[in-house]
Amino acid sequence: SQQGEEDPQALSIQEGENATMNCSYKTSINNLQWYRQNSGRGLVHLILIRSNEREKHSGRLRVTLDTSKKSSSLLITASRAADTASYFCAMNTGFQKLVFGTGTRLLVSP
Amino acid sequence: DTAVSQTPKYLVTQMGNDKSIKCEQNLGHDTMYWYKQDSKKFLKIMFSYNNKELIINETVPNRFSPKSPDKAHLNLHINSLELGDSAVYFCASSRGTSGSLGTDTQYFGPGTRLTVL
Repeated sequence: SQQGEEDPQALSIQEGENATMNCSYKTSINNLQWYRQNSGRGLVHLILIRSNEREKHSGRLRVTLDTSKKSSSLLITASRAADTASYFCAMNTGFQKLVFGTGTRLLVSP
Repeated sequence: DTAVSQTPKYLVTQMGNDKSIKCEQNLGHDTMYWYKQDSKKFLKIMFSYNNKELIINETVPNRFSPKSPDKAHLNLHINSLELGDSAVYFCASSRGTSGSLGTDTQYFGPGTRLTVL
């Protein structure tokens, strides 16, 4: 299957702690994107990293990409209860086609 | 001011029925998509249209037929519904101008939860 694998499947932390999610994939990519899904809602785009980039920041988010290992990580610093959601990596394999990872469920407790 | 809207939000129906889900985007985007999210939260693309033309058609049973009357709408019609069709179906759109680079952000609708009994 082309689907990406995310690790861990679920993560439970306290407010203020950092959360790290990892994504591994199998095919070559043009870029890799991260999305958040709140319970019962649609997905919201967080950040995009191109295949020739190694690291990208956006607010409290930090994304890394290692194309040699076909892996990416998403770090959320100083987490808040409002960060509780499922997080998905999505690999762009060409012409707007996204292949999504299996998702990480993050629970941030006050 | 919903950017991508879907109707209905919930759909409960019997096996064998035919049903449609509608999607509309008011973002002026050229590309629209249908995704299926199963009970394990796996999200998989089904179809993609660019300016009313089909550009992505994954391995989907031909009981599923997308229709794009104009570039702001992409509807999904499902014939002879089966138990395995139960899932949440998401519509999405993107500008669709970056071609093979695929750097356009996709904007998702709120989803339609389909339950087949």
